[in-house]
Amino acid sequence: QVQLQESGPGLVRPSETLSVTCTVSGDFSGSYYWNWLRQSPEKGLEWIGYVFSTGTTHYNPSFESRVTISIDTSKSQVYLKMISLIAADTATYYCARAKVTPRERYFDVWGHGILVTVSS
Amino acid sequence: EIVLTQSPGTLSLSPGEGATLSCKTSQSVFRDYIAWYQQRPGQAPRLLIYATSNRAAGIPDRFSGSGSGTDFTLTLSRVEPEDFAVYYCQQYGGSLPWSFGQGTKVEIK
Repeated sequence: QVQLQESGPGLVRPSETLSVTCTVSGDFSGSYYWNWLRQSPEKGLEWIGYVFSTGTTHYNPSFESRVTISIDTSKSQVYLKMISLIAADTATYYCARAKVTPRERYFDVWGHGILVTVSS
Repeated sequence: EIVLTQSPGTLSLSPGEGATLSCKTSQSVFRDYIAWYQQRPGQAPRLLIYATSNRAAGIPDRFSGSGSGTDFTLTLSRVEPEDFAVYYCQQYGGSLPWSFGQGTKVEIK
């Protein structure tokens, strides 16, 4: 049974950089896209982007200028880096898995999420 | 980006009642690739339905999905106490970015 666990800071100051790690326990094969999403009361659920095992990425245009998603298959970890944070980036950040097959690109496994607050 | 609009915003029900949740998309979704998720307080979303009408593993048959094109529905045939939660639809068709509706809260009347 695959499990995802996010880790990182709970508090980030405005204009600084957020770095969050998702550690995968279980199947970390090349059959999946590894995604980052976030959820806030104001914006709801938002898909940020994904990384494939090869390092190929795809981002939501709303985040593309500020986000980098990367992967380390040797560590079974996926990373999110977001720069120039503002208060509106306060949210719970989730990693989630999606299969590569088009019909199965839904998010079938989620981490518990990490609440990130942007405040001075 | 495909915009998903869910209605109603809140549904007040008694246990045992049925519920119909709507999700309308701003354009047709490729091959009706719509998923539904349930989110209980303090938890991550949980997959219920994929490809409009297919239940995910372990999901009881009181949950069903239907629809096509731009109109999709999640039906709960008899609401159980554990079903009181927020429900989201999501499109994962060929059009990126993948996007979600704003959610329907099912609450106890």
